[in-house]
Amino acid sequence: AQSVTQLDSQVPVFEEAPVELRCNYSSSVSVYLFWYVQYPNQGLQLLLKYLSGSTLVESINGFEAEFNKSQTSFHLRKPSVHISDTAEYFCAVSDRQGGSEKLVFGKGTKLTVNP
Amino acid sequence: DAGITQSPRHKVTETGTPVTLRCHQTENHRYMYWYRQDPGHGLRLIHYSYGVKDTDKGEVSDGYSVSRSKTEDFLLTLESATSSQTSVYFCATTLGSGGSYEQYFGPGTRLTVT
Repeated sequence: AQSVTQLDSQVPVFEEAPVELRCNYSSSVSVYLFWYVQYPNQGLQLLLKYLSGSTLVESINGFEAEFNKSQTSFHLRKPSVHISDTAEYFCAVSDRQGGSEKLVFGKGTKLTVNP
Repeated sequence: DAGITQSPRHKVTETGTPVTLRCHQTENHRYMYWYRQDPGHGLRLIHYSYGVKDTDKGEVSDGYSVSRSKTEDFLLTLESATSSQTSVYFCATTLGSGGSYEQYFGPGTRLTVT
């Protein structure tokens, strides 16, 4: 079964600084990869996803993630963060065992953007 | 986005009482899921459904049961609530049938067991 490791539980940064949130998954078989964002007291929203094709995927608000098959990683980056990016970010990977459609989530990374 | 609602949004109950949480979706998605979210644990899958009357256990299913009698509704029941079940519960759906596995989440239910 798949597992997902988010290497940092908390990441504090200053506004306009770059940030990278790290995500590694366990299996190198064909996977779908996702980043979700959760703002305080809300549900999870899809930020971006990798299904196939270009290994670099982007979101509408300036985040990007790169699928690296050899390193089984899907790190999330943003070149310049805003206060409004403060949230918890979850990496998820598809788990295709047994024919069921499930996602396995990491434990989350809390991003705090300070002025 | 899928229209997913959860009810109630907040509930306080006493140890030993039964509790039912409801998830309702309007997108005719085949798969539905119940997760619990706890600090330091991320999201953990409780149960999921792959069709009407078709359900299966997730990684933390002990103490929980589910039912799905209609495509749009997925109920989570705590037969006898315990303090360890104090958590935020999220419902999610996905289209299924060879789709992208992308899941859509409801707003959550905050449950406190005293």
